[in-house]
Amino acid sequence: ETGVTQTPRHLVMGMTNKKSLKCEQHLGHNAMYWYKQSAKKPLELMFVYNFKEQTENNSVPSRFSPECPNSSHLFLHLHTLQPEDSALYLCASSQDTYQETQYFGPGTRLLVL
Amino acid sequence: AQKVTQAQTEISVVEKEDVTLDCVYETRDTTYYLFWYKQPPSGELVFLIRRNSFDEQNEISGRYSWNFQKSTSSFNFTITASQVVDSAVYFCALSERNTDKLIFGTGTRLQVFP
Repeated sequence: ETGVTQTPRHLVMGMTNKKSLKCEQHLGHNAMYWYKQSAKKPLELMFVYNFKEQTENNSVPSRFSPECPNSSHLFLHLHTLQPEDSALYLCASSQDTYQETQYFGPGTRLLVL
Repeated sequence: AQKVTQAQTEISVVEKEDVTLDCVYETRDTTYYLFWYKQPPSGELVFLIRRNSFDEQNEISGRYSWNFQKSTSSFNFTITASQVVDSAVYFCALSERNTDKLIFGTGTRLQVFP
């Protein structure tokens, strides 16, 4: 595998379900990001991790819970989501956080019923 | 405040036409970086270019070229002799010094018809 991978690519879940999104980067980077992309809205930064430490939480509701066990893996745990949470969730990584180029994964398209 | 404006929501062209995607940014910082990304229907954002605020030289990469003008706070992207495979949403983004945020514009959807 090369670059940034995300699983699953598609996910349908009910509002009471618990699921997790996984991201893995094979670039040797130290920083990882979660973004949300909704229809007709700009990309929204959700969380930033640098060397496994969370450095940014962009006022994200607690029903989204990130986890970064090491610099190569990033998870987004989902529970009791709302239909408006349906979106494309993109993971990215960069060498470090400041002004570095971010490389994105293919995203997980989430539908909350 | 930081802001990136891509005023063109959608552009349609016929194959082989040249097309320019506009990007205007706002920043109070003197040191910043500008980026362009391509998002094809598959969803992945593909990095195209990163430009330092101190480097105003225009860049050309194959059919792609970028025109950076600090005087007008613009970083426009031109595709020469467009192809159907260029159909995608293109995002311009800004990053200031000492920040881990990448501020994206709303994107321009380019459709290239055969």
